[in-house]
Amino acid sequence: AQKVTQAQTEISVVEKEDVTLDCVYETRDTTYYLFWYKQPPSGELVFLIRRNSFDEQNEISGRYSWNFQKSTSSFNFTITASQVVDSAVYFCALGRGSSGDKLTFGTGTRLAVRP
Amino acid sequence: DGGITQSPKYLFRKEGQNVTLSCEQNLNHDAMYWYRQDPGQGLRLIYYSQIVNDFQKGDIAEGYSVSREKKESFPLTVTSAQKNPTAFYLCASSIDGADTGELFFGEGSRLTVL
Repeated sequence: AQKVTQAQTEISVVEKEDVTLDCVYETRDTTYYLFWYKQPPSGELVFLIRRNSFDEQNEISGRYSWNFQKSTSSFNFTITASQVVDSAVYFCALGRGSSGDKLTFGTGTRLAVRP
Repeated sequence: DGGITQSPKYLFRKEGQNVTLSCEQNLNHDAMYWYRQDPGQGLRLIYYSQIVNDFQKGDIAEGYSVSREKKESFPLTVTSAQKNPTAFYLCASSIDGADTGELFFGEGSRLTVL
C-alpha cells in the first residue's frame, strides 16, 4: 500500500522567513513519482513539481526548492523568503504512474504567511 | 482562456435528493477525474475517465455516478445512496498517455447536505 504523510497540519510564519514543508512517503514500488500541489483559497490545485524515483537531484525554481532523499523516503519543499501570496494548502502526492488515477495524496499542510 | 470549469460553486441539497456537478474542460485533454476533499484529509479519487464513453471507479465510487459522452464534459452525480455527501468536489484533467504527471484542476464545488 502507498502512503503519504504530511505531519505538519498548519504552519504560520512571518513574511520573508524561510519555511520547509515535510513529506514522507511509503511505497514498495521501485518506480514511482512524487508531486507537490498548491491549493490557494480559490480552491483549485496547482501543479508545482513532479519527480521520478530515479532522479534524486534537488530542484530549485525561484524561491521554491525541493529536496528528494530516497534514503529517508522524504520529498521536502522549502520556500525561501516567504510571501503572503504563498499562503495556501500544500499537498504532497505519490504516484505509481504519472496519471491521476494512480495518485495517493497526503493530508496537506496549511501555510499562513503573515505580513 | 483554457481551463476547467466546475459548476455550481456552492450547492445545497436535502437528504434523499440526487445532485449533478458539472465539469467542462477546453484543454482537449483525454483524461478526466473527480476527487473528493474532506477537511484534514487528502484528495480521494471517486471516478476517472481516460477516453470518451469509458470510465472507471476510483477508491470511493459508492454512491456516485458519472458519464463521459463528450470529451470536454465529465459530470458527477451524487446520489441519495451516498451516505455522507457533504464535501468539496474537485474535477481534474490530464493529457492521457503523456508523462507529465500534471493534473489541471477546476476551482471545485462545495456540496452541503441539509
